[in-house]
Amino acid sequence: DIVMTQSPLSLPVTPGEPASISCRSSQSLLDTTGYNRLDWYLQKPGQPPQLLIYWASNRASGVPDRFSGSGSGTEFTLKISRVEAEDIGIYYCMQGLEGPRTFGQGTKVEIK
Amino acid sequence: QGQLVQSGSELKKPGASVRVSCKASGYTFTKHAMNWVRQAPGQGPEWMGWINTYTGIPMYAPGFRGRFVFSLDTSVSTAYLQISSLEAEDTATYYCTRECTSGCALFGFDVWGQGTMVTVSS
Repeated sequence: DIVMTQSPLSLPVTPGEPASISCRSSQSLLDTTGYNRLDWYLQKPGQPPQLLIYWASNRASGVPDRFSGSGSGTEFTLKISRVEAEDIGIYYCMQGLEGPRTFGQGTKVEIK
Repeated sequence: QGQLVQSGSELKKPGASVRVSCKASGYTFTKHAMNWVRQAPGQGPEWMGWINTYTGIPMYAPGFRGRFVFSLDTSVSTAYLQISSLEAEDTATYYCTRECTSGCALFGFDVWGQGTMVTVSS
């Protein structure tokens, strides 16, 4: 199975400041059509995960443009340009290239 | 846009079975695969597998073969997860989530059910 590793696991943030989360995969997530099969999800307390970014860099419908995804191959990054209080929760990356879908351990984002 | 509504919480004894339903609305059911995700208390999500809503063919992640069964009733746009021989370790919240497979404008697990808490306890 493809192993997903996130860092940091905990991220205290200040509203208005930027934040960044890294995700590394144990093998390349680049598929034969040139897309990286890496998604980002945010799980707010008491809610199901919600899709933020699909295929590494595409924002899902309704996701604010302060969220952006980048990276290719085995290294990916989720950036929040200016954190807002509503952004707290646990962020997960997930690979969809092959085999069972696998999630990272999660990064808990909290307000300082 | 689409919505998934799951059945309510369940409390079961070890060895019993449970069936979780996931009713879809607001989109063409057969154009989106249905995935199932387990989340144990305080843990991250774990993908259980998916079912092709057009063919009815399921695919299970390695740790979910045997006691777990995905099924459909396309006449009512509903997917089901059945778990047999329940164990304490099955205590978790179970989510259904769709993924577009035909005529897609976007990808990923873009709509999720609210989750069904299954508690296994004697």
